[in-house]
Amino acid sequence: DSGVTQTPKHLITATGQRVTLRCSPRSGDLSVYWYQQSLDQGLQFLIQYYNGEERAKGNILERFSAQQFPDLHSELNLSSLELGDSALYFCASSVAPTASGANVLTFGAGSRLTVL
Amino acid sequence: AQSVTQLGSHVSVSEGALVLLRCNYSSSVPPYLFWYVQYPNQGLQLLLKYTSAATLVKGINGFEAEFKKSETSFHLTKPSAHMSDAAEYFCALGYFGNEKLTFGTGTRLTIIP
Repeated sequence: DSGVTQTPKHLITATGQRVTLRCSPRSGDLSVYWYQQSLDQGLQFLIQYYNGEERAKGNILERFSAQQFPDLHSELNLSSLELGDSALYFCASSVAPTASGANVLTFGAGSRLTVL
Repeated sequence: AQSVTQLGSHVSVSEGALVLLRCNYSSSVPPYLFWYVQYPNQGLQLLLKYTSAATLVKGINGFEAEFKKSETSFHLTKPSAHMSDAAEYFCALGYFGNEKLTFGTGTRLTIIP
C-alpha cells in the first residue's frame, strides 16, 4: 500500500456522461498530480495541485477539470466523455515543492475508466 | 523541451541473465532521473532516483542505474534476473523547481524460465 488512495478502482460509463475520480494523498504530502495512462499515449501528465492551488498544467482537455480541497484530497472531473477517454487515471502525491525529495512521486493504484 | 526515450518497448531475458533497460534523456537543465516499475494491475513504484549526487544509484530489488551526462543516458541494470522482475519499467525526468515528471513510453520486461 503506497498510502495514496484512489476511488473508484473501476468505472464503466457511456459516452457523453460525466464522472468524478477521487484521490487522497499520502499522509504529509501537500502536492497532488493526475496522470492519464493509455495504450497509445503512454503516461501523460494532466495537472498538479499544491496546497489547494493549481501549480502546473499539462495536456489536460477542457472537458476535464480538477481541484484540491482543504483536506488535501483531490478530485478529477471528466465530462462529455468520449471513447478515447478510456484509460487508467493515476493520482500521485509528493511533499511540498521546497522540501527535499519534492520530485519523488508516490502513485496510487489507479482508476480504470471504460467509456462505452 | 525535456524528453525521455526508452529504447525497446519489449525486452526478454532468461532467468539469471543480466537485465539492461535503456533510457536516454534530453534536458536543457541538470536533470533529475527516476526509474519506476509497474506490476500488473498496480500503480507505479519507485525503483531508484538520481538527483545530482552519486552517478551510480542503487535501488530496490537489486537494480541500479548509472547517470552518464556525456551520453545523456540513465540505463537500468540488474546482474541476475528473477521471475518476479517481470513488469513494465518507466524512466522519468524531472528537475529542480518543477516537480512533475515526464515519463518515457515504458519497457515491458519478460523473464524466460
